[in-house]
Amino acid sequence: GNSVTQMEGPVTLSEEAFLTINCTYTATGYPSLFWYVQYPGEGLQLLLKATKADDKGSNKGFEATYRKETTSFHLEKGSVQVSDSAVYFCALSDLNNFNKFYFGSGTKLNVKP
Amino acid sequence: NAGVTQTPKFQVLKTGQSMTLQCAQDMNHEYMSWYRQDPGMGLRLIHYSVGAGITDQGEVPNGYNVSRSTTEDFPLRLLSAAPSQTSVYFCASRDTGTANRYGYTFGSGTRLTVV
Repeated sequence: GNSVTQMEGPVTLSEEAFLTINCTYTATGYPSLFWYVQYPGEGLQLLLKATKADDKGSNKGFEATYRKETTSFHLEKGSVQVSDSAVYFCALSDLNNFNKFYFGSGTKLNVKP
Repeated sequence: NAGVTQTPKFQVLKTGQSMTLQCAQDMNHEYMSWYRQDPGMGLRLIHYSVGAGITDQGEVPNGYNVSRSTTEDFPLRLLSAAPSQTSVYFCASRDTGTANRYGYTFGSGTRLTVV
């Protein structure tokens, strides 16, 4: 079956530190992969995506590369800001099953000034 | 602005009461769904719909009903509220044909407390 596993949080970093949030997946087909961000009190917003192996998604300084060989889609940012404090969700959608997305459990990021 | 609108934003219910959480989208998306978000458990799918008149169960459907009479609206009904239904509820929609490129659009959520 399909599933997504994220590193547990919370992750606490100082401003300008390097960020990595690990995400690995299990899928029966060839999924598209997504990162969503949830700011306090808000719904989830699409942050970036990749639709095939070796694609790199990027947005707002965040990047993630679709690694089929390691079934991973780790989120990275070179220099975090206080405004990046949020919960980050990794997700996949399976080409063979359009009706359901599969979300990870979320990783809370706290960035301190 | 186009998007997914959820009402109410906050609600407190007594055990045994019933209520309906409203969800509307104006993007002509075929697919709509309801998730609940609980601490440490991420998002769990309650019910979903692939079009008007068609609904199906997700991972945690017990205690909830849905209907889809129009493309735009997808209300979630709590039949007899229980404290275990205290959660944040999100409605999400997507276009079936472009789901793998654009993902979901989420509403801002309804925070429900059952006492």
